[in-house]
Amino acid sequence: NAGVTQTPKFQVLKTGQSMTLQCAQDMNHEYMSWYRQDPGMGLRLIHYSVGAGITDQGEVPNGYNVSRSTTEDFPLRLLSAAPSQTSVYFCASSYQQGAHSPLHFGNGTRLTVT
Amino acid sequence: QQQVKQSPQSLIVQKGGIPIINCAYENTAFDYFPWYQQFPGKGPALLIAIRPDVSEKKEGRFTISFNKSAKQFSLHIMDSQPGDSATYFCAARLGAASKLTFGTGTRLQVTL
Repeated sequence: NAGVTQTPKFQVLKTGQSMTLQCAQDMNHEYMSWYRQDPGMGLRLIHYSVGAGITDQGEVPNGYNVSRSTTEDFPLRLLSAAPSQTSVYFCASSYQQGAHSPLHFGNGTRLTVT
Repeated sequence: QQQVKQSPQSLIVQKGGIPIINCAYENTAFDYFPWYQQFPGKGPALLIAIRPDVSEKKEGRFTISFNKSAKQFSLHIMDSQPGDSATYFCAARLGAASKLTFGTGTRLQVTL
């Protein structure tokens, strides 16, 4: 199984450009989420989804949009990139909500906004 | 607002030593406390987890100690090996959702 697949692995954007970070999982997980990782800040939740058609905001949602049209895919959209969005982005999924469902992370997308 | 505080930021131990990473939380409604391990260029992976009704959990060389009254928990790595060199994150979960609040991470280096 591929697990959680994120594309691209690296991306450089100019301020104001838009792009979509792709995330796909093949484990039939209900729950999917996006985190950003910054030095000294740990991992912060951007958006999450508990199932197809349902999304909600996390801790740092501003500047990002998500949608969940299928169980497998959960893309993250940057509408107008800003230097503050330079970060490593991780997509994660779990089988279902609940304590015994560990999060499975992808290998990340490193985004630089100049 | 950092709801889960993690220390130290970095740690260097010799092979065979016992690194200890500490975390403290504020919200007593947290009900699940996992630790994640991350190698360079990879996503975090679940290492071990504990519920607040348990004071200690061991899995192989990894042990979580949990002090509910002090709102603190820690990770101990017995007989540490160079392959344990990684960044470790503690986390806490609130309620039925799978949303996790992570600590800021500890970069561990195990030297020969």
